[in-house]
Amino acid sequence: GQQLNQSPQSMFIQEGEDVSMNCTSSSIFNTWLWYKQDPGEGPVLLIALYKAGELTSNGRLTAQFGITRKDSFLNISASIPSDVGIYFCAGQRAVRDIFGTGTRLKVLA
Amino acid sequence: SQTIHQWPATLVQPVGSPLSLECTVEGTSNPNLYWYRQAAGRGLQLLFYSVGIGQISSEVPQNLSASRPQDRQFILSSKKLLLSDSGFYLCAWSRGGHGYTFGSGTRLTVV
Repeated sequence: GQQLNQSPQSMFIQEGEDVSMNCTSSSIFNTWLWYKQDPGEGPVLLIALYKAGELTSNGRLTAQFGITRKDSFLNISASIPSDVGIYFCAGQRAVRDIFGTGTRLKVLA
Repeated sequence: SQTIHQWPATLVQPVGSPLSLECTVEGTSNPNLYWYRQAAGRGLQLLFYSVGIGQISSEVPQNLSASRPQDRQFILSSKKLLLSDSGFYLCAWSRGGHGYTFGSGTRLTVV
């Protein structure tokens, strides 16, 4: 099935560094969502974006809804070890959302 | 508040044995329900979704099946497991366009 492309696929960063990742699609979405999956758990919703150009923050996380409505970006500031996990973007559809391929983040203390 | 229960947490089954994974949701009515599978370190593969009792949509043809006997119950089954059925199975629900709530997953190992 269709998946959104996320980059980078994986990344190692030092604790305290800022992190940026993005999600792109060939289709337009009216809502973008970002999830985090801790190891061995189900994904948890972090941020929802409802308007093109919107910038929304949740603690150290900031996400942006691309102006073309075909992409979204997630930034994590001052990373800490518990930020490790897989980050998924998703574009919302009426019944079945389309998920990204995921960005695996590993934080080196 | 809404909660989602998924069990068992881990399962080791021999090849050729049957499978039944159950997922129940509390605190909401008429949710959309989903079954996903995730290979180790990989993305989420949608297997089945349901918009109502008895309504099942299949995304991937395979030896798995799903059923929704009650509004808030979603069951994933197989008559004969294959080695390739190993993975992390996730149930999720959604309603009203506010994203998905996932269960804690079942790690299935077929030996």
